Amino acid sequence: QSVLTQPPSVSGAPGQRVTISCTGSSSNIGADYAVHWYQQFPGTAPRLLIYGNNNRPSGVPDRFSGSKSGTSASLAITGLQADDEADYYCQSYDSSLRGSVFGGGTKLTVL
Amino acid sequence: QVQLVESGGGVVQPGRSLRLSCAASGFIFSNYPMNWVRQAPGKGLEWVAVISFDGNNIYYADSVKGRFTISRDNSKNTLYLEMNSLRGDDTAVYYCARVEGVIGDDNWVDSWGQGTLVTVSS
Repeated sequence: QSVLTQPPSVSGAPGQRVTISCTGSSSNIGADYAVHWYQQFPGTAPRLLIYGNNNRPSGVPDRFSGSKSGTSASLAITGLQADDEADYYCQSYDSSLRGSVFGGGTKLTVL
Repeated sequence: QVQLVESGGGVVQPGRSLRLSCAASGFIFSNYPMNWVRQAPGKGLEWVAVISFDGNNIYYADSVKGRFTISRDNSKNTLYLEMNSLRGDDTAVYYCARVEGVIGDDNWVDSWGQGTLVTVSS
């Protein structure tokens, strides 16, 4: 059971917009700690997609965006492409656990 | 560019020990905190431990506290994870990861190694 809750899977057709939610609690996202997102393809290491709720590292397309409100955050992907098919993880800091916490991951399928 | 190369993984019996290493290059290693993050087969990511840039501040996940020890040698640009009393649920790919932000507060991983597989089995 992950501290941050994500849907196990989402799907969308090419060109569509999908969102992935990440729900936490008052000791992490709700305590105003930032949310970060990672993308992982099978058999490879994760890569940073969004940091500080809504900032993209260089090289990440602006089709990817993040938002945060209250105890939840969301990753939005617009103009869905076949090569967006991957696992996506949210991460934050938890003051009770005194460490980083991850969501359980969401598998994105492009139909 | 940032390179993180883990080594030391393998098959180990329950109750035994193993030490992982992570060789860093392409950046000033002594300026950054570092994480170990693991991923059990077919499962999600789990943060394991973090160490400050100078090694003076360290935090562990409850699941490994008292069994694992994170350390670093800034003169060798190398991060370590000493794992003792290994259990079956420690089986995972272990990633070395560079940390941005403040440990003990908002922080995230901006670079990952390729990972090294640790299998705990008799």
